[in-house]
Amino acid sequence: RKEVEQDPGPFNVPEGATVAFNCTYSNSASQSFFWYRQDCRKEPKLLMSVYSSGNEDGRFTAQLNRASQYISLLIRDSKLSDSATYLCVVNGGSSNTGKLIFGQGTTLQVKP
Amino acid sequence: GAVVSQHPSWVICKSGTSVKIECRSLDFQATTMFWYRQFPKQSLMLMATSNEGSKATYEQGVEKDKFLINHASLTLSTLTVTSAHPEDSSFYICSARDALGRASSYEQYFGPGTRLTVT
Repeated sequence: RKEVEQDPGPFNVPEGATVAFNCTYSNSASQSFFWYRQDCRKEPKLLMSVYSSGNEDGRFTAQLNRASQYISLLIRDSKLSDSATYLCVVNGGSSNTGKLIFGQGTTLQVKP
Repeated sequence: GAVVSQHPSWVICKSGTSVKIECRSLDFQATTMFWYRQFPKQSLMLMATSNEGSKATYEQGVEKDKFLINHASLTLSTLTVTSAHPEDSSFYICSARDALGRASSYEQYFGPGTRLTVT
């Protein structure tokens, strides 16, 4: 089983749609969770950290369910510029190595 | 702030030659840098953790004698792909942790990546 699992998609949605991505992780000792965005042939860029209480940044909302080891990202009012691959990222266990484990990524295509 | 650069951004080399990739933290000090590899349509896979002043820690399945890592200063880590072969063609990305950051912070700052093609 992969340490971080995501549905690779692609998700094809019209502009203005709301879309949700899910992610599960296998290591219950993980403490930090992130969503990164990666554009084609570019490096990943941090979109947002994910906190137990849930957090929102504009059109983006992230949720964490520790009991189910499940992370989600909701994008409201999709823009063409949101088209990218969204990577679910989890720190690699309880030791403070800073190691991050990346999911395969979910590809989003927003169409006009 | 928190800018990481990589050089070169792309390189084409012949099979059997060695290629050095540099990763620099431009405006912060990084005791730890990470090297990742990404093949097309796949996610980033951690290759090794580079620690300033000590030996790198390699992930399972990554040959330390083939992928030489040197982290001689708080702002520079290098990855040398020795005797490169076509299967080493990939997107190599480094990242760095801020040495002055909180111990509980796992945020990493990524370089722009180096696209290696071995012919």
